[in-house]
Amino acid sequence: DTGVSQDPRHKITKRGQNVTFRCDPISEHNRLYWYRQTLGQGPEFLTYFQNEAQLEKSRLLSDRFSAERPKGSFSTLEIQRTEQGDSAMYLCASSNQQGAFAGNTIYFGEGSWLTVV
Amino acid sequence: GIQVEQSPPDLILQEGANSTLRCNFSDSVNNLQWFHQNPWGQLINLFYIPSGTKQNGRLSATTVATERYSLLYISSSQTTDSGVYFCAASGGYNKLIFGAGTRLAVHP
Repeated sequence: DTGVSQDPRHKITKRGQNVTFRCDPISEHNRLYWYRQTLGQGPEFLTYFQNEAQLEKSRLLSDRFSAERPKGSFSTLEIQRTEQGDSAMYLCASSNQQGAFAGNTIYFGEGSWLTVV
Repeated sequence: GIQVEQSPPDLILQEGANSTLRCNFSDSVNNLQWFHQNPWGQLINLFYIPSGTKQNGRLSATTVATERYSLLYISSSQTTDSGVYFCAASGGYNKLIFGAGTRLAVHP
C-alpha cells in the first residue's frame, strides 16, 4: 500500500494554459476527493467520486475545471485557461466508504502545487 | 452545511509545554479527523475520532459529540510538533469540511 499519490508535485504554467493533475488513490478505495488549499487557509472541498460517479461538485469548481475518474481508479483534474487566482495546492484524498452514513478515515496525498504566472 | 471552527488560531510554546487545541462543529458528525500539516504540505492523519477518546504517544484527542466539540492534547511538546493542525468533520455521507487550523510554533 503506497498511499495516495499525486502527479506532478509542482507545476508552473503561464496564464491561459491548460493543466492536468493526476491522482492515484489507495487501491480498492471507492471514494476519491479533490480539495484546493491556498496559503494560510484550510483545504476547501472541490468534488468527490464514488467509484466512477461524480456525486458532488462545489460552487468553487467553475466551468474551467473538470474532473474525471473513468474506471473508478485514478482521477484527473483539469484546469482550462488558467488564471492567477488558480494558484494553489490541489489535494487528492481517498477513503473506503461502506454504506450510508458510515464515516471512515480519509487519507490525503502530498498535493500538487500550481503556480500560474 | 456543517461549520467547523478551531481555536486558538495561533499558539507559541516552549519545548516541553502542554497544549490543548479546540474544534467546534455546528451539526452532528459521523466523521471527525485531526490532521497535522507538515512544512511540505502533507496532511498527516492524527486521529479519526467522531466520538470518544484516543491516545497515540504524546497526543490524545477527545470528541464530545453531544456537545459538538473535539479537543486535541499535545503533551511535552517538541519542535517537530510545529506546523498547522486541522480539524475536519462531515455529517451524513459526504465530504470533510475543514476548519481554518491552529498554527503551532514550538521553540527550543
